Amino acid sequence: KAGVTQTPRYLIKTRGQQVTLSCSPISGHRSVSWYQQTPGQGLQFLFEYFSETQRNKGNFPGRFSGRQFSNSRSEMNVSTLELGDSALYLCASSWAQGAVETQYFGPGTRLLVL
Amino acid sequence: EDQVTQSPEALRLQEGESSSLNCSYTVSGLRGLFWYRQDPGKGPEFLFTLYSAGEEKEKERLKATLTKKESFLHITAPKPEDSATYLCAVVSGGYNKLIFGAGTRLAVHP
Repeated sequence: KAGVTQTPRYLIKTRGQQVTLSCSPISGHRSVSWYQQTPGQGLQFLFEYFSETQRNKGNFPGRFSGRQFSNSRSEMNVSTLELGDSALYLCASSWAQGAVETQYFGPGTRLLVL
Repeated sequence: EDQVTQSPEALRLQEGESSSLNCSYTVSGLRGLFWYRQDPGKGPEFLFTLYSAGEEKEKERLKATLTKKESFLHITAPKPEDSATYLCAVVSGGYNKLIFGAGTRLAVHP
């Protein structure tokens, strides 16, 4: 069974631009979560989607947004990029059939903001 | 506020030298604790889930244990391929919101 896939794997943008990252979950998984990983802050939760609805949100500004499609694929968008947005963005998926579930991570998209 | 602290930050072992990594947590109500392994430039790879104090799980050279305040990842007779960053995370509240520790960077030398 294929794992979580993320595209693109690498991105270079300049300050003020916007970016869209894509995530395809493991087949059958209905929950998709997004995380930001930086050397200084580690792994931080951005938001989680289930059945096209945001169920949970972390402490990030409104410039960070996401959505989920009917096939469970998800996208996240960052508008008005800042230098501090440079990070590895990770997507994780799970079945969403239980109260506490194992999340399986994709390889990430490395974003560099210049 | 929920918090996860991992120690040590970095650990250097000789091949075959067993050791333990620590993950202490402060959460309002633990619903699950997860261990992941992350190699450079890759996403975290799932290792274990622990749900209640006293629970233990094993996989090859790794064994994870859980108490009411902390979890340990024991590495028995490690090999160089065990070198990675080991991440601990907890879920205490909302759906699938993992709170991660900073990780322990493990280096195993031949």
